[in-house]
Amino acid sequence: GNSVTQMEGPVTLSEEAFLTINCTYTATGYPSLFWYVQYPGEGLQLLLKATKADDKGSNKGFEATYRKETTSFHLEKGSVQVSDSAVYFCALDTGRRALTFGSGTRLQVQP
Amino acid sequence: DTAVSQTPKYLVTQMGNDKSIKCEQNLGHDTMYWYKQDSKKFLKIMFSYNNKELIINETVPNRFSPKSPDKAHLNLHINSLELGDSAVYFCASSQPTGTGWTEAFFGQGTRLTVV
Repeated sequence: GNSVTQMEGPVTLSEEAFLTINCTYTATGYPSLFWYVQYPGEGLQLLLKATKADDKGSNKGFEATYRKETTSFHLEKGSVQVSDSAVYFCALDTGRRALTFGSGTRLQVQP
Repeated sequence: DTAVSQTPKYLVTQMGNDKSIKCEQNLGHDTMYWYKQDSKKFLKIMFSYNNKELIINETVPNRFSPKSPDKAHLNLHINSLELGDSAVYFCASSQPTGTGWTEAFFGQGTRLTVV
């Protein structure tokens, strides 16, 4: 079956630090890959996506590259802000029209 | 305007009760979903409807029954509530595209607490 594995959190960083949140996946076929973000008390919002191998998704300074050879989709940001504090979810869709999520990684950015 | 709205936002109820959560989307999407988020933040698909037709039904107790009166609404009814049903339930919607992927839009969630 399909699955997504994310690094355990929480990840605690100082403002302007570099962020990496690891994500690897197992899937049949060729999934599309996503990062969703959940701010406190809110629903999930799509942060970025990549639909085929070597695609790079980017948004709000965040980036992730679809690596088929390592089955990975790591999230990166060069300089985090306090407002980036949230829970980040890696997810995939194999065309089944339902997302398979990782367990989420909480990011805490301190001023 | 809220794209995907759920009511209520919070629900506290006793074991054994029956409760419903309502969801409406004004995005014109054909597909709607219910996801369950447990206390460890793990999200899992429960149900998916496309144009009022059930297309995904994961291993969910039959105490949970989704109902879609029209494609803009997907309600979740839960019978005989148990302590383990305590979670945050998210409604979502999406519109299939020719690219094979779909962006899901989520509601704010309903925090259900069974006491």
